[in-house]
Amino acid sequence: AQSVSQHNHHVILSEAASLELGCNYSYGGTVNLFWYVQYPGQHLQLLLKYFSGDPLVKGIKGFEAEFIKSKFSFNLRKPSVQWSDTAEYFCALPDTGRRALTFGSGTRLQVQP
Amino acid sequence: DGGITQSPKYLFRKEGQNVTLSCEQNLNHDAMYWYRQDPGQGLRLIYYSQIVNDFQKGDIAEGYSVSREKKESFPLTVTSAQKNPTAFYLCASMTREGNTGELFFGEGSRLTVL
Repeated sequence: AQSVSQHNHHVILSEAASLELGCNYSYGGTVNLFWYVQYPGQHLQLLLKYFSGDPLVKGIKGFEAEFIKSKFSFNLRKPSVQWSDTAEYFCALPDTGRRALTFGSGTRLQVQP
Repeated sequence: DGGITQSPKYLFRKEGQNVTLSCEQNLNHDAMYWYRQDPGQGLRLIYYSQIVNDFQKGDIAEGYSVSREKKESFPLTVTSAQKNPTAFYLCASMTREGNTGELFFGEGSRLTVL
């Protein structure tokens, strides 16, 4: 079965610091990968997605992620975080058998002004 | 605007009571889902439905029930059999077209058992 691991559970950064959140998956076939974000008090929304092609994917609000097949990774990056990036971030991949998404445990990002 | 509406946003329940969480979507999506979110555990799939009048158990279905009588609606009942029901519940939907795998979420319902 497919699974997703996020090893950073809680990250605290100062504004303007660079961000990299880890995401590793286990699945041997063709993968689609997603990053979702949940801002405080808001619904979960799509940040970016990878289906195929260029392994460097750009999303909203300056976020990007790189798909590295050899490392089974899809890490999320942002060169310079802002206080408004404080949120919980989830990596996910499709459970093709059930046509649902399997989510990682999430990373809570706290950006200090 | 199209979207998913969950109600109520906050719900308090006494032990032993069943509660039903509402989820309505106007995105014309065929598939609908219920996830449970607990701190440090991410989102876990409770039930899902690919089409009207059909639904399947997810990873943590025990103590929950659902129905899918209309395409737009997928209510979740948390029964008294659910041992630890206090959680944040998220409803989502997905189009079957294109097989993108992208889920659209409602704002969630927070259930607290007193």
